[in-house]
Amino acid sequence: DQQVKQNSPSLSVQEGRISILNCDYTNSMFDYFLWYKKYPAEGPTFLISISSIKDKNEDGRFTVFLNKSAKHLSLHIVPSQPGDSAVYFCAAAILQGAQKLVFGQGTRLTINP
Amino acid sequence: DTEVTQTPKHLVMGMTNKKSLKCEQHMGHRAMYWYKQKAKKPPELMFVYSYEKLSINESVPSRFSPECPNSSLLNLHLHALQPEDSALYLCASSQVYGTANTEAFFGQGTRLTVV
Repeated sequence: DQQVKQNSPSLSVQEGRISILNCDYTNSMFDYFLWYKKYPAEGPTFLISISSIKDKNEDGRFTVFLNKSAKHLSLHIVPSQPGDSAVYFCAAAILQGAQKLVFGQGTRLTINP
Repeated sequence: DTEVTQTPKHLVMGMTNKKSLKCEQHMGHRAMYWYKQKAKKPPELMFVYSYEKLSINESVPSRFSPECPNSSLLNLHLHALQPEDSALYLCASSQVYGTANTEAFFGQGTRLTVV
């Protein structure tokens, strides 16, 4: 039972354009969502998070949108840069003491020059 | 400083060996985690420590034994592992919910190969 799903295994975007990565979840108890970026053989790097009381959070080139009724979130990267090429993981948690992060399968983003 | 340091970076061990993975953070985080990641799969939670006490064990086999000696250190003791335990082992830390921002920060991982 996959509670967090990233249905696109890969995405290719032109440099300078917008990258949109999508994530769906099934557990309505999740109230905290995060995006991580990962290079091969390295640990995930935290990018941005959003709690369920918000529908948008922005940090520089990164914006996360949350649609609770659709159980859907998305990460927008504008403008996309070659250094953004990596695997992006969506993660969800229930905020209660220490987190128990549930990760999606990841989307490999490739930014083409 | 948002660094979580894991040692060693690579480890090869036989099925009869005993080894330990180490993790250290100095961000004052009171929650620490072990995750396991197989190739082309997402990280999967193994253990959670909150205020140095084990709060979550995701039904991990007893050949994996976690230890949290103090608020900055987390160990994972390995004994009699199987080849299918070969994976990237990730340590993470975060604040405990209600105290501050709770995003988890990950270390670089230990690439474990069991032969």
